Amino acid sequence: ETGVTQTPRHLVMGMTNKKSLKCEQHLGHNAMYWYKQSAKKPLELMFVYNFKEQTENNSVPSRFSPECPNSSHLFLHLHTLQPEDSALYLCASSQDLRTEAFFGQGTRLTVV
Amino acid sequence: GQSLEQPSEVTAVEGAIVQINCTYQTSGFYGLSWYQQHDGGAPTFLSYNALDGLEETGRFSSFLSRSDSYGYLLLQELQMKDSASYFCAVRDRRASKIIFGSGTRLSIRP
Repeated sequence: ETGVTQTPRHLVMGMTNKKSLKCEQHLGHNAMYWYKQSAKKPLELMFVYNFKEQTENNSVPSRFSPECPNSSHLFLHLHTLQPEDSALYLCASSQDLRTEAFFGQGTRLTVV
Repeated sequence: GQSLEQPSEVTAVEGAIVQINCTYQTSGFYGLSWYQQHDGGAPTFLSYNALDGLEETGRFSSFLSRSDSYGYLLLQELQMKDSASYFCAVRDRRASKIIFGSGTRLSIRP
């Protein structure tokens, strides 16, 4: 238990579906992140939020839409995904943008 | 640009010592971190070096040389539970974010 909870743990969706990933942190951190982890590739930073404001969008396709309603919650809304979007999506939080990150267990996404 | 290089796989024997190297290139540098990830698990923070030298935490040590843009993670008295992937990561002062290497898969033999 790292204090960062992601739901669901596993998700299978069709290319025409709309789904959302949820992340919640109970650590009082101010920064939250979405990372994508594909097999044999580095952890890819997708989005960064600091004090609920998006500070980084790492050239992510618009079919991924983040939402940060408060400092404790982060969502990733998914629509019209492609099979190559299948990956482990990890949420992380940190006290600020320069301290160590605490990760959730991830959502294993399969797009069929 | 930003990039990190680390070996993709390392194999070692239980009880031995192993060193995982990491070289980095960033447009600004704030510190080098190491994370451990077991199969099916979340990455967990191991260590952080902001200054040159060796930081020791139990069986794990981490080293940084800023002039060489190089660091390593040293694992001593290896145990089977140390089998995992290990990621180096840099904090880029200009970008104010954490960038990860591709990870080193450590396999330990009895």
